[in-house]
Amino acid sequence: QKEVEQNSGPLSVPEGAIASLNCTYSDRGSQSFFWYRQYSGKSPELIMSIYSNGDKEDGRFTAQLNKASQYVSLLIRDSQPSDSATYLCAVQGRGGTSYGKLTFGQGTILTVHP
Amino acid sequence: SQTIHQWPATLVQPVGSPLSLECTVEGTSNPNLYWYRQAAGRGLQLLFYSVGIGQISSEVPQNLSASRPQDRQFILSSKKLLLSDSGFYLCAWSVGQEAPLHFGNGTRLTVT
Repeated sequence: QKEVEQNSGPLSVPEGAIASLNCTYSDRGSQSFFWYRQYSGKSPELIMSIYSNGDKEDGRFTAQLNKASQYVSLLIRDSQPSDSATYLCAVQGRGGTSYGKLTFGQGTILTVHP
Repeated sequence: SQTIHQWPATLVQPVGSPLSLECTVEGTSNPNLYWYRQAAGRGLQLLFYSVGIGQISSEVPQNLSASRPQDRQFILSSKKLLLSDSGFYLCAWSVGQEAPLHFGNGTRLTVT
């Protein structure tokens, strides 16, 4: 069983629409959750951090966390072609040998078409 | 502000040759340092992490090794490269146990 799972996509949305990216994780003790954006050929760039249940908004991005369901999501409002990238979900372990380490999902490819 | 430098940006090496990739962080003290590898079309795999000088934890058995000779310097090495070592190598830093990672620009390694 993968520790962090994402749909690989590609997810295609029209410009101006809401893109919804989902992620589930297996370590119930995880406390820190991150979303990274990775453009083709580039390194991952942090776009959101979330630590508590509920929603966290930053500009056009909203991260949602539900620890009981072990689920974290990222919503991108008013999607732009420049949002086209791979989005990586990352979960920080807290128990045992996973303490402090970041485990990444495989990433979801998002394409925003004009 | 903190910055991370990683070099070289690209590298082509023959099978059996040695490897040395270097990463340095500026603007912070006692960072946690990480080496990740991303193979083509695959996710990020944690290779090594370090919480202090001389402290290295290995995540995956392989022919790679890491060293941290100074607080803000992290080196990835190999004595003999394999074809399977090809990939995108990323150095990252964080401060604290629940902080996000910040990545360098990466090194794209091709072993021929």
